[in-house]
Amino acid sequence: DSGVTQTPKHLITATGQRVTLRCSPRSGDLSVYWYQQSLDQGLQFLIQYYNGEERAKGNILERFSAQQFPDLHSELNLSSLELGDSALYFCASSKTSSGYEQYFGPGTRLTVT
Amino acid sequence: QQQVKQSPQSLIVQKGGIPIINCAYENTAFDYFPWYQQFPGKGPALLIAIRPDVSEKKEGRFTISFNKSAKQFSLHIMDSQPGDSATYFCAVDAGGTSYGKLTFGQGTILTVHP
Repeated sequence: DSGVTQTPKHLITATGQRVTLRCSPRSGDLSVYWYQQSLDQGLQFLIQYYNGEERAKGNILERFSAQQFPDLHSELNLSSLELGDSALYFCASSKTSSGYEQYFGPGTRLTVT
Repeated sequence: QQQVKQSPQSLIVQKGGIPIINCAYENTAFDYFPWYQQFPGKGPALLIAIRPDVSEKKEGRFTISFNKSAKQFSLHIMDSQPGDSATYFCAVDAGGTSYGKLTFGQGTILTVHP
């Protein structure tokens, strides 16, 4: 158990809908990272927050957004969902902003029908 | 733009064998090279990592070999066990203003037969 929690574990929704994925980092970790894992694209970095501020951005679609709250939990919002958004979404956390020693949560499996 | 290439895609060894997984990177600015292990239905777990100022690092049965001039690094698993069967990912971290942005290889599915 990495200490990172993610909810929900599974999510099934229809095209065009909006969903919110939630992540709680390990105790003491200030950075939260979001990754998308799919068979064709592999494990792709989406976005990083450090102590409430956006720190680094990857190939995150404009339909996706994230935020980190004062209690350090983070939410990833996915809107106008398409079939291609079906994937595993992982949250990771680390103590610092450097990206070293990232600990991953169990993931949320999103299925868009 | 693919910044890290991982090979092989899959690997089958017998118990006790020494599987070797290789990664090649393009950008010499990278300064952190971790390996992650992922079991089905689980998130990736940090296995071992190396910085470019050393050529080898061992942790238990896992060893990273790093060749800075060739821009390659590899994972060796000594005395492999069936419980090591998993998908392994190498990654690179750009550092600098891109801190936190891990770029992963495509993964290697390792199967260790009893």
